[in-house]
Amino acid sequence: DQQVKQNSPSLSVQEGRISILNCDYTNSMFDYFLWYKKYPAEGPTFLISISSIKDKNEDGRFTVFLNKSAKHLSLHIVPSQPGDSAVYFCAASANSNYQLIWGAGTKLIIKP
Amino acid sequence: ETGVTQTPRHLVMGMTNKKSLKCEQHLGHNAMYWYKQSAKKPLELMFVYSLEERVENNSVPSRFSPECPNSSHLFLHLHTLQPEDSALYLCASSQEGGPSNYGYTFGSGTRLTVV
Repeated sequence: DQQVKQNSPSLSVQEGRISILNCDYTNSMFDYFLWYKKYPAEGPTFLISISSIKDKNEDGRFTVFLNKSAKHLSLHIVPSQPGDSAVYFCAASANSNYQLIWGAGTKLIIKP
Repeated sequence: ETGVTQTPRHLVMGMTNKKSLKCEQHLGHNAMYWYKQSAKKPLELMFVYSLEERVENNSVPSRFSPECPNSSHLFLHLHTLQPEDSALYLCASSQEGGPSNYGYTFGSGTRLTVV
């Protein structure tokens, strides 16, 4: 049973528009959430994170929103750029332990 | 060299072969991880080493054997693998205490094909 779900395998967005990537989780013990970005033939790179004590964290064009009651988080990218085309992984951890639980990823395609 | 370096980038091996994957980090981190990424599946944590001691072993078959000789190096020894073990194997590192404060830093991975 997947504790972290990214239900959209892929998403296509026009350049300059907003990209919204979604992630749902089932374990209420998760207290830290991270987004990673992965290009082909490279390892994932850390993008942005949020602690469960917050509901929003912003870093430049990237904003992560956390809705604890819905057990849902989303990553907003605005404006979307061609270099944002990649696979985005959502991950969660409980009590800051080593076990990061990962979603299956969403492939984001930015169209020119 | 900076970051996390994995070698080789690609590996093709027969089911009776023995090979090793190597990971090296130059970030001063003291926790290192092996992950497996299969197509369209979540990343699967295989092993965690913290301060050179193994702290997690997620029911990984014994045909995978990790080794952490020091805080900068991590190996994954492979023997008698199966075709279903073909995947991208990723190494990562972080500061001790897990990923939450700093996130992981990943290597580029080794694309393993078992024939």
